[in-house]
Amino acid sequence: GEDVEQSLFLSVREGDSSVINCTYTDSSSTYLYWYKQEPGAGLQLLTYIFSNMDMKQDQRLTVLLNKKDKHLSLRIADTQTGDSAIYFCAERYRDDYKLSFGAGTTVTVRA
Amino acid sequence: DSGVTQTPKHLITATGQRVTLRCSPRSGDLSVYWYQQSLDQGLQFLIQYYNGEERAKGNILERFSAQQFPDLHSELNLSSLELGDSALYFCASSPRSGGDSPLHFGNGTRLTVT
Repeated sequence: GEDVEQSLFLSVREGDSSVINCTYTDSSSTYLYWYKQEPGAGLQLLTYIFSNMDMKQDQRLTVLLNKKDKHLSLRIADTQTGDSAIYFCAERYRDDYKLSFGAGTTVTVRA
Repeated sequence: DSGVTQTPKHLITATGQRVTLRCSPRSGDLSVYWYQQSLDQGLQFLIQYYNGEERAKGNILERFSAQQFPDLHSELNLSSLELGDSALYFCASSPRSGGDSPLHFGNGTRLTVT
C-alpha cells in the first residue's frame, strides 16, 4: 500500500535535538527521503537513504531506518530557529517513478 | 536554489477559466514531475514526463493536462477551474526516471480560484 504517516507537530527548544518520525507501509520501498518546506517556499531535499542502509549522517542530520518496523526518523542536532519548517517524509516504491509523501511534521523551535 | 524554475509565482483567476503553469527543470534533468499541495489532500502526485514522453500518471483530473517540450520545459494546463483547484502546484525534476534519482522541487505556483 501507499501510506506514509508522520506526527503533525513537534516543538523543540533551541539547542536541543529534534527527532521527527515517519512510518511507511510498503516493504518494497527502495529510497526514503526527507524534505524541508519553509513558509512560502518549495520543498528542499535534505537527505535520502537507500532501503538497504540502517543509518546515514550528514552534518547535523542523522537518518535512521528500521526496516523491520518500517520506521524512518530524522534527527536534527543542535536545533536552530532556522530549522523551523515543515518536514516531509517520502518513499519511492520499487519500479515506480513517483514519490509518495507523508502529511508533514511542523517543527517549531522555541528560544 | 534548487535550479527548478516555476512561473508564475502567483495566479488568481475565476472559476471556469483556464491557466497554464510553466516549469523549467534543472539543467541536464530529463524527468519532470507535477505535484499539487493543498491543505486537505497534502502533496499529491499528478503526472511525470521523461524526455518528452508521459511516464506515470497519478491523481490528475481529466480537466488537467501536461506536456514536456523538446527543450525539456513542461507546462501544466488546468481548465474549467473550480474553487477546489486552489492549491500550490509544484514542479520537480530529476536526472533520470527512477532509482537513486532524487527529486528537486521548484518554489511552486500558488493558484487561487475565486
